[in-house]
Amino acid sequence: DTAVSQTPKYLVTQMGNDKSIKCEQNLGHDTMYWYKQDSKKFLKIMFSYNNKELIINETVPNRFSPKSPDKAHLNLHINSLELGDSAVYFCASSQGSDSGNTIYFGEGSWLTVV
Amino acid sequence: AQSVTQLDSQVPVFEEAPVELRCNYSSSVSVYLFWYVQYPNQGLQLLLKYLSGSTLVKGINGFEAEFNKSQTSFHLRKPSVHISDTAEYFCAVSLRGYSTLTFGKGTMLLVSP
Repeated sequence: DTAVSQTPKYLVTQMGNDKSIKCEQNLGHDTMYWYKQDSKKFLKIMFSYNNKELIINETVPNRFSPKSPDKAHLNLHINSLELGDSAVYFCASSQGSDSGNTIYFGEGSWLTVV
Repeated sequence: AQSVTQLDSQVPVFEEAPVELRCNYSSSVSVYLFWYVQYPNQGLQLLLKYLSGSTLVKGINGFEAEFNKSQTSFHLRKPSVHISDTAEYFCAVSLRGYSTLTFGKGTMLLVSP
């Protein structure tokens, strides 16, 4: 059983398109995240949700809109895709909001904008 | 704000040799420290973490790390590496309480026969 699963794993799309990445965790966690890994492998937090509520939004363009329909799901919708959005997007989850709790990552979604 | 510096972008070693991956952090308050591993085309997996207590932390796959407050370091070590340890290793820090992870830029460990 995959603890944190995200779909699609690979996505190639044209500039200007709108796309979504879905994420589900079956760990019973109440906190979920989206991280972005750029071409130089640098990882940065984008969003954090706790019990379906947005906790952290790290200066991400408003073309990116996360949605959490329930505690087990955190989807990422991206409007008007740009070349610079090409990256690997990781969904993650943890139990509770304490920063000492282990964060479990999904396998990533490789987004390529052409 | 906290930051993490991984001094080596790439560390080549031979199989069965010992290895140390260096990590230094900067923060004006107490932090938690983590090491994550990323195998090719996969997500990140926690190797070990330091929250409090003993400064020597043992993790999975034979890795360990030592927290050194005076040197603000959290270096990762393994006494004998395997080919399968080839991966990207990320050091990360978070503030105590509610906070998210701040990652270093990663160190690629390349193990050759």
